[in-house]
Amino acid sequence: GAGVSQTPSNKVTEKGKYVELRCDPISGHTALYWYRQSLGQGPEFLIYFQGTGAADDSGLPNDRFFAVRPEGSVSTLKIQRTERGDSAVYLCASAGQGTDTQYFGPGTRLTVL
Amino acid sequence: GESVGLHLPTLSVQEGDNSIINCAYSNSASDYFIWYKQESGKGPQFIIDIRSNMDKRQGQRVTVLLNKTVKHLSLQIAATQPGDSAVYFCAEGSGGSNYKLTFGKGTLLTVNP
Repeated sequence: GAGVSQTPSNKVTEKGKYVELRCDPISGHTALYWYRQSLGQGPEFLIYFQGTGAADDSGLPNDRFFAVRPEGSVSTLKIQRTERGDSAVYLCASAGQGTDTQYFGPGTRLTVL
Repeated sequence: GESVGLHLPTLSVQEGDNSIINCAYSNSASDYFIWYKQESGKGPQFIIDIRSNMDKRQGQRVTVLLNKTVKHLSLQIAATQPGDSAVYFCAEGSGGSNYKLTFGKGTLLTVNP
């Protein structure tokens, strides 16, 4: 079946602009995660959704970052007033109910000029 | 803080040889461990996972070993193939928070034909 998909695959924006990154999880998966991966590093946890609610958003670096999952499926990560330091690959993962294995999407490469 | 690290940042092997990738973790409360493979430009791909009540788990051509006494995790790949060339990450989840994976920096595996 289809895996996790993310759009866009690449996003270039200017400092100070607003961006939205989209994640479509595997159909039926109730858990959804966002991670951020900088060059040469492992992914870092940002936020976790169980259904529609954010169960843990402790990884969001500051209040410029926000994520939603209004219908318990697709999620959008929103970044306001982007900064050059936000440049990274943003990864989304999902997991089935009652399971821990997280399956990742291909990521969105965000470049802030 | 708690962290997951790798002993070797790079590993080069000949096609057909067995590969061993090592990982040390520091959080003694971690009870879930997982290995991912990441090819250039792609998201992490699940390989195998293991829980702390086990010390060994086998998959297709891969074996994960867990030594809780020394907080060490390893991934063994049998008969390594050129398609195995990638960065390999270990990640850990601690009790009740398996959803928040902590990743190491990764090991680059290069398979020479």
